[in-house]
Amino acid sequence: DSGVTQTPKHLITATGQRVTLRCSPRSGDLSVYWYQQSLDQGLQFLIQYYNGEERAKGNILERFSAQQFPDLHSELNLSSLELGDSALYFCASSVGQGMNQPQHFGDGTRLSIL
Amino acid sequence: GNSVTQMEGPVTLSEEAFLTINCTYTATGYPSLFWYVQYPGEGLQLLLKATKADDKGSNKGFEATYRKETTSFHLEKGSVQVSDSAVYFCALGAGGGADGLTFGKGTHLIIQP
Repeated sequence: DSGVTQTPKHLITATGQRVTLRCSPRSGDLSVYWYQQSLDQGLQFLIQYYNGEERAKGNILERFSAQQFPDLHSELNLSSLELGDSALYFCASSVGQGMNQPQHFGDGTRLSIL
Repeated sequence: GNSVTQMEGPVTLSEEAFLTINCTYTATGYPSLFWYVQYPGEGLQLLLKATKADDKGSNKGFEATYRKETTSFHLEKGSVQVSDSAVYFCALGAGGGADGLTFGKGTHLIIQP
């Protein structure tokens, strides 16, 4: 058990809809990262938050947004969903924001767009 | 930009065989290097890491050495078990400020009894 909790585990919705994925980091971790895992693109970094502030952006679409709340949990919002957004979305957390620190991953949310 | 290249597999071995999964990287600066393992239906688990050249990371019988001269971080294990069957990801974290990890495409390892 990594200590990172993601909900829901599975999400099935239709094109054009909007969903929210939730992540609670490990106790004591201040950084939260979001990744997308798909068969064709592999694991891609989307965005990072540190102590409530956005710190880095990767390959995140404009239709996607995220935030980190004062209690350090984070939400990833996906809107105007397309078939290609079907993927496994992982949240990870680390104590600080430096890249020499290991990231601890949740079990992911599997998003299926019908 | 940063990139990681690893053999995709599947790699099929018999129990107690020697394992090598190759990983090479391209990065600016001095990245940290990681191996993560993903079991079916689960998230990624950190297997080992190395933060500077010539560092050797090790865990659960797995080892990898950070080779700056060959930009490599190959994963090895002397005697694999059926329970090692999983997908293995090599990843790098760029040195300096905040950013996400850059992952290879993953190597699916199958160990047969």
